[in-house]
Amino acid sequence: EVQLVQSGAEVKKPGESLKISCKGSGYSFTSYWIGWVRQMPGKGLEWMGIIYPGDSDTRYSPSFQGQVTMSADKSISTAYLQWSSLKASDTAMYYCARADSSRCPEYWGQGTLVTVSS
Amino acid sequence: EIVLTQSPGTLSLSPGERAALSCRASQRISSSYLGWFQQKPGQAPRLLIYGASSRATGIPDRFSGSGSGTDFTLTISRLEPEDFAVYYCQHYGSTSGTFGPGTKVNI
Repeated sequence: EVQLVQSGAEVKKPGESLKISCKGSGYSFTSYWIGWVRQMPGKGLEWMGIIYPGDSDTRYSPSFQGQVTMSADKSISTAYLQWSSLKASDTAMYYCARADSSRCPEYWGQGTLVTVSS
Repeated sequence: EIVLTQSPGTLSLSPGERAALSCRASQRISSSYLGWFQQKPGQAPRLLIYGASSRATGIPDRFSGSGSGTDFTLTISRLEPEDFAVYYCQHYGSTSGTFGPGTKVNI
């Protein structure tokens, strides 16, 4: 069974750094893309970008380029999304999703809630 | 960048009725790269339709997708109580991942 398990909720202050994780199981982690999606409170879905753990090929949505960093550690089947300096506007639920070669997000993690507040 | 527009914003229907949700792209896109997702409150999105018309694993046949070019439709033939949710279309692919703003299907 394909599963994506994300790290737990985080509460951070503006300016702090953060790295959240997404662990894949039940499939070959290096053979599928992992996408990241933001959902701000009460709002819709926003595509942040996608990474191929097999070779770390990463494509960022223009809106998120330079704002976050995506990475993956294939030895532990885990993808990461990180911020170097959080802002209050980063408060949101973040989802990871496994995507096939067409980049269609088929399987989703449960989400990680990030709250940034002073 | 391709922009997706969904209509209506909200659809108020009763169980047993038919729902037709529209997704329009700002420019022509390949049907192979159009998906539909369902999201219920407090839950992660779920893939319903990929490639504009193919049902994902485990999705009931009351859900169907159609369309091509710039106009796509998700149809729910007979609404069940569990179908009341928000529905998003997405254009995915090597250079895109844009979601539409969503259509909320209300009882």
